[in-house]
Amino acid sequence: AQTVTQSQPEMSVQEAETVTLSCTYDTSESDYYLFWYKQPPSRQMILVIRQEAYKQQNATENRFSVNFQKAAKSFSLKISDSQLGDAAMYFCAYKGGGSRLTFGEGTQLTVNP
Amino acid sequence: ETGVTQSPTHLIKTRGQQVTLRCSSQSGHNTVSWYQQALGQGPQFIFQYYREEENGRGNFPPRFSGLQFPNYSSELNVNALELDDSALYLCASSLGLDRNLYGYTFGSGTRLTVV
Repeated sequence: AQTVTQSQPEMSVQEAETVTLSCTYDTSESDYYLFWYKQPPSRQMILVIRQEAYKQQNATENRFSVNFQKAAKSFSLKISDSQLGDAAMYFCAYKGGGSRLTFGEGTQLTVNP
Repeated sequence: ETGVTQSPTHLIKTRGQQVTLRCSSQSGHNTVSWYQQALGQGPQFIFQYYREEENGRGNFPPRFSGLQFPNYSSELNVNALELDDSALYLCASSLGLDRNLYGYTFGSGTRLTVV
């Protein structure tokens, strides 16, 4: 079974600074997708960024980028120029050949003004 | 384009009762997945429905059941409620199955409290 581990229950960053959230996963599959989701107090999961495992190039979406290390099974999220609106719970998620998303335990990000 | 709508937003039930949660999928999406998110934890996959058929199930007992309707909306039913069923229940819709290149759209969830 696939597992996703987020080792940082809480992180904080100063506004306009950069922060990196860590995620590792375990799988025996070779073809899969990785995601970072943001869950604000409104509770809705919002997709931040996605990465296809077969792509070597790291995904980037504006201020959000990932460092995907397939051999190490690591998938970290970097948030540049942090904004107050970035404060939320962030979940790393894995999707392989099955129908499910497997989520990590989450990292609560606080952005300090 | 409408998003995913879940109802009700909050619900309080007594242990042993039955509950039905509802989800309207995003326009154009034909697949619905349900997740249980206990307080302080990541969501756990319950099951997925594609074209009205169950297509994958997580480690949940049979008292968790579901339906998908021709308009692709869905229901999650939980019988014989237990205290541990208290959680946020999230619905996510998507287009297609395994090669899901378009991602999932989540609703804001139903907060279920069992007392």
